[in-house]
Amino acid sequence: GNSVTQMEGPVTLSEEAFLTINCTYTATGYPSLFWYVQYPGEGLQLLLKATKADDKGSNKGFEATYRKETTSFHLEKGSVQVSDSAVYFCALSDPIPYSGGGADGLTFGKGTHLIIQP
Amino acid sequence: GAGVSQSPSNKVTEKGKDVELRCDPISGHTALYWYRQSLGQGLEFLIYFQGNSAPDKSGLPSDRFSAERTGGSVSTLTIQRTQQEDSAVYLCASRVFRNSPLHFGNGTRLTVT
Repeated sequence: GNSVTQMEGPVTLSEEAFLTINCTYTATGYPSLFWYVQYPGEGLQLLLKATKADDKGSNKGFEATYRKETTSFHLEKGSVQVSDSAVYFCALSDPIPYSGGGADGLTFGKGTHLIIQP
Repeated sequence: GAGVSQSPSNKVTEKGKDVELRCDPISGHTALYWYRQSLGQGLEFLIYFQGNSAPDKSGLPSDRFSAERTGGSVSTLTIQRTQQEDSAVYLCASRVFRNSPLHFGNGTRLTVT
C-alpha cells in the first residue's frame, strides 16, 4: 500500500542555516506530492506541490523536487528564519486510491517539528 | 471568508457527554475529510465524503463516532459518550477534485475532562 516516510523531529537549527527535511514515498500509481506546514494553533496549509516526475515545487523560499527514481520529495530552504518554526508534513495523493486504506488516496507522513533558534 | 471554517474552535466537555463539531467547507468543494490529531502526533484519517456518494467511514475509531454531511456542504462530526482518549484536535479539510491540494480549517480542540 501507499506510505510516506519523513524524518523524525524535532529538528533544531540556527537562523540562516540550510534546511533539508527528507521525505520518501511508496505509491501504486503516479501520485501528486505535497508539503504542508502547520503553525501552532492552526490547521495545515499547503506549502508547495508537484504533480509529475522532475517537477519542482517552490514557495516562500522552500523548494522540493519530485524524484521518481529515488521516490523522494525532500524539502529544502537555503536560509531559515525563526518564523519558519512549525510542523511540516509530506503527503501524497494517488489517483488510484489505495484500496483498504481509506482517505481517498491521500497519505500523510507523521510530520517533522522544526525549531529555528535566533 | 473563503476558507474552511470549523466551530467551535475549542470545546471542553465532561466524560460521557456527547459533542458535535461543525465544518463548513469551501464552496464548490465536493470532497470533505475529517482527521484527528492527538498532541504531538500526525494526522489520523476518520471519514471522507465525496458528493452524494456513501461516505468512507473506514477511519472511525469506534461506533461512538459518526458524521453527516447535509446538502453536500456543511458536515457535523458527532462523538457520543466522550472518553478522555477522545481529547485531540479535530481537523476538517476539503478539496475540489482528486489530486488537488487539501484546504484545512483551523480545527476544533476537544478536551474531555
